[in-house]
Amino acid sequence: GAVVSQHPSRVICKSGTSVKIECRSLDFQATTMFWYRQFPKQSLMLMATSNEGSKATYEQGVEKDKFLINHASLTLSTLTVTSAHPEDSSFYICSAGLSNEQFFGPGTRLTVL
Amino acid sequence: QKEVEQNSGPLSVPEGAIASLNCTYSDRGSQSFFWYRQYSGKSPELIMSIYSNGDKEDGRFTAQLNKASQYVSLLIRDSQPSDSATYLCAGNNPGTYKYIFGTGTRLKVLA
Repeated sequence: GAVVSQHPSRVICKSGTSVKIECRSLDFQATTMFWYRQFPKQSLMLMATSNEGSKATYEQGVEKDKFLINHASLTLSTLTVTSAHPEDSSFYICSAGLSNEQFFGPGTRLTVL
Repeated sequence: QKEVEQNSGPLSVPEGAIASLNCTYSDRGSQSFFWYRQYSGKSPELIMSIYSNGDKEDGRFTAQLNKASQYVSLLIRDSQPSDSATYLCAGNNPGTYKYIFGTGTRLKVLA
């Protein structure tokens, strides 16, 4: 149980384009999902908390207009990186909350050329 | 500022030995603690959660929590090369569903 999927697993895009990443809880409903970013050899950095049916809560320093989050159902949250630039290249990981624990998706590696 | 601190390592242990990973936290309000394992290039995987003082065992893993001293540890018995990974300690951010993560300890189990 407690399986979280992410799609795509890897994406390469040109600078200036937008990229959408999907996060799904496959066998449970998640009122709350989280989006993290991880640069090489660094720890996880929480970007935002996504709550079903309401606006996401962004961490300090994270631009909400650049990283659009939608949590339209209890099993799906999406992160859209708008007008991506090379500095947005990173490993993006979502997690879904269940009974006080967070279960992580496999991550999406974004490379912006 | 609320923090969870870990030694970055690497911590090297021979195969079959006990690996001891430690973590301290600054916010006494944190009640729940978690250990995640992260292989290079992969996402974190939950190994253990612990909420009460004392020890919690699951197979080769034992988590220990001491709220008075504000530390959490993870023991891995009979360490295997496949245990080589980065281990992340996390505590809940009181009043929220968010976690505060440490920077992780890199473990190397030598065959």
